Amino acid sequence: QKEVEQDPGPLSVPEGAIVSLNCTYSNSAFQYFMWYRQYSRKGPELLMYTYSSGNKEDGRFTAQVDKSSKYISLFIRDSQPSDSATYLCAIPPNAGNMLTFGGGTRLMVKP
Amino acid sequence: NAGVTQTPKFQVLKTGQSMTLQCAQDMNHEYMSWYRQDPGMGLRLIHYSVGAGITDQGEVPNGYNVSRSTTEDFPLRLLSAAPSQTSVYFCASSRGSNQPQHFGDGTRLSIL
Repeated sequence: QKEVEQDPGPLSVPEGAIVSLNCTYSNSAFQYFMWYRQYSRKGPELLMYTYSSGNKEDGRFTAQVDKSSKYISLFIRDSQPSDSATYLCAIPPNAGNMLTFGGGTRLMVKP
Repeated sequence: NAGVTQTPKFQVLKTGQSMTLQCAQDMNHEYMSWYRQDPGMGLRLIHYSVGAGITDQGEVPNGYNVSRSTTEDFPLRLLSAAPSQTSVYFCASSRGSNQPQHFGDGTRLSIL
């Protein structure tokens, strides 16, 4: 079983829709999680950083962690064409290693 | 504000050739890492460094070498290129292993 898994998509939604992006992870000891956004032909950039369970909101973006289900979500409200990108979740490293990334979900928001 | 700079942006090699992908950061980060990104495989860690003079292997290190002589630079060397190494390579830096990573814009490498 992979440490973190994402549905690759693509996910296509109309402008203004609420988008839900999800990751599942295997290690219940993880305490924090990150979401990155990657535009075409660019490197990933940090979007959200969440610690432990619960929600974190930043503008139109909300990150949610459900540790009991080992499930993390990223919600985008009022989605815009400029949100079209690949979204990657990342989980903490094992000792001495670096962040582990999910495979990414490609999102397309159509005008 | 340069951040993480990768060169070259594109490269085509023949099987068996060697080359070095360059990575430099100006944020005084101790941690640097190299990833490759392939369709359906996500970002996979090749090698990483926790400071000048210290490097370690990641998930897919075979066929690649690294060294870290300065805090700023972390080059990735392909010793004898193979078609399986065709990929997009990203360099990243961070303040720590559990801190957000700052990525360059990648090097697109094709091996014929």
